[in-house]
Amino acid sequence: AQKVTQAQTEISVVEKEDVTLDCVYETRDTTYYLFWYKQPPSGELVFLIRRNSFDEQNEISGRYSWNFQKSTSSFNFTITASQVVDSAVYFCALKDAGGTSYGKLTFGQGTILTVHP
Amino acid sequence: KAGVTQTPRYLIKTRGQQVTLSCSPISGHRSVSWYQQTPGQGLQFLFEYFSETQRNKGNFPGRFSGRQFSNSRSEMNVSTLELGDSALYLCASSSNPTMGSGNTIYFGEGSWLTVV
Repeated sequence: AQKVTQAQTEISVVEKEDVTLDCVYETRDTTYYLFWYKQPPSGELVFLIRRNSFDEQNEISGRYSWNFQKSTSSFNFTITASQVVDSAVYFCALKDAGGTSYGKLTFGQGTILTVHP
Repeated sequence: KAGVTQTPRYLIKTRGQQVTLSCSPISGHRSVSWYQQTPGQGLQFLFEYFSETQRNKGNFPGRFSGRQFSNSRSEMNVSTLELGDSALYLCASSSNPTMGSGNTIYFGEGSWLTVV
């Protein structure tokens, strides 16, 4: 069975601080996919990144960066110089390549990020 | 390119009624999946459809059902509504994914259902 754990339920920072959201996952599959989504109050889940299990290269996109470490089953997300607009709920998700994986993402419980001006 | 579109955005129903939610996927996407989001249970997978066939199903009672049309649009239905069905229902679409595929899954804004 798959499991995703986001250790931080809520994080509060002041604008321009860096913040890291932790994500730890469990799966028996050797091939899998990891995702991060942002959910603003409107409800839509906004796709941020997808990472394949066979590609451990870290990625940077503007102020966002992701650190994938297969050895520790972690896929952490860092926002550099946070802004008020970054305030949202962030979800880490896992999709296996085998079994009954059609369309199925397993989500963590989410981290509520509040950035204060 | 239009995103995933869900209707209605908000609705209020009474216990015992049924509800139908609609989802139009991103143009060209043929896989549609549905999720339920509640404060207590978080985001949970309901089912996935591809080419009008349900290929995967989550752990929900038979009151929850869905279907997909030939144009890939999908509907989900919840019958005999219970208070616990109050939730945000999210639809997602993906391009033609194989079982082992990690194709990106894009979500709509969701339908907020309140059961009173």
